[in-house]
Amino acid sequence: GDSVTQMEGPVTLSEEAFLTINCTYTATGYPSLFWYVQYPGEGLQLLLKATKADDKGSNKGFEATYRKETTSFHLEKGSVQVSDSAVYFCALSDRRQLTFGSGTQLTVLP
Amino acid sequence: KAGVTQTPRYLIKTRGQQVTLSCSPISGHRSVSWYQQTPGQGLQFLFEYFSETQRNKGNFPGRFSGRQFSNSRSEMNVSTLELGDSALYLCASSPSSGLNTEAFFGQGTRLTVV
Repeated sequence: GDSVTQMEGPVTLSEEAFLTINCTYTATGYPSLFWYVQYPGEGLQLLLKATKADDKGSNKGFEATYRKETTSFHLEKGSVQVSDSAVYFCALSDRRQLTFGSGTQLTVLP
Repeated sequence: KAGVTQTPRYLIKTRGQQVTLSCSPISGHRSVSWYQQTPGQGLQFLFEYFSETQRNKGNFPGRFSGRQFSNSRSEMNVSTLELGDSALYLCASSPSSGLNTEAFFGQGTRLTVV
């Protein structure tokens, strides 16, 4: 079945540091890929998406590129802020459902 | 435009009871999906409804059920509650039921079973 593997957290960075959160997937079809973010006590917010190979999704300084050859969708940001502290989930969409990774807790220190 | 609204936000129930959770999707959205989030199992898909029909179902026991009304509002029901049903239940709505369609999530209902 489909699955998503995320790099284990938690991740702690200083403000303005570079962020990478690794995500790889296994799917039988051609899924769409997403990054969602969850702030404490909240639901999930869509951060960015990519629907086909080599697509780059971007939003609020975050970027991720759909790499079919490596089945990866790594999340990057050049300079993180304290307000980016949250849990980040990689997900794929196939057969009318989202399959999520386990989530990566990011803490950014001032 | 109002977002996805889930009610109630918090619930405490006793083992063996049943519970009904409600979700109002974004206006114009016809697809509603439900997910269970727990620290141990993470986010798991429960089911998806589109135009009042269940289109997809996750690997959960029959105690978990749902329905969708003609105005796209959805409810999920859990009968004979177990301690392990304690979780954050998230509802997501989408304009359609397609592979590339974005899902917009509500804030969730936190269910505690004691």
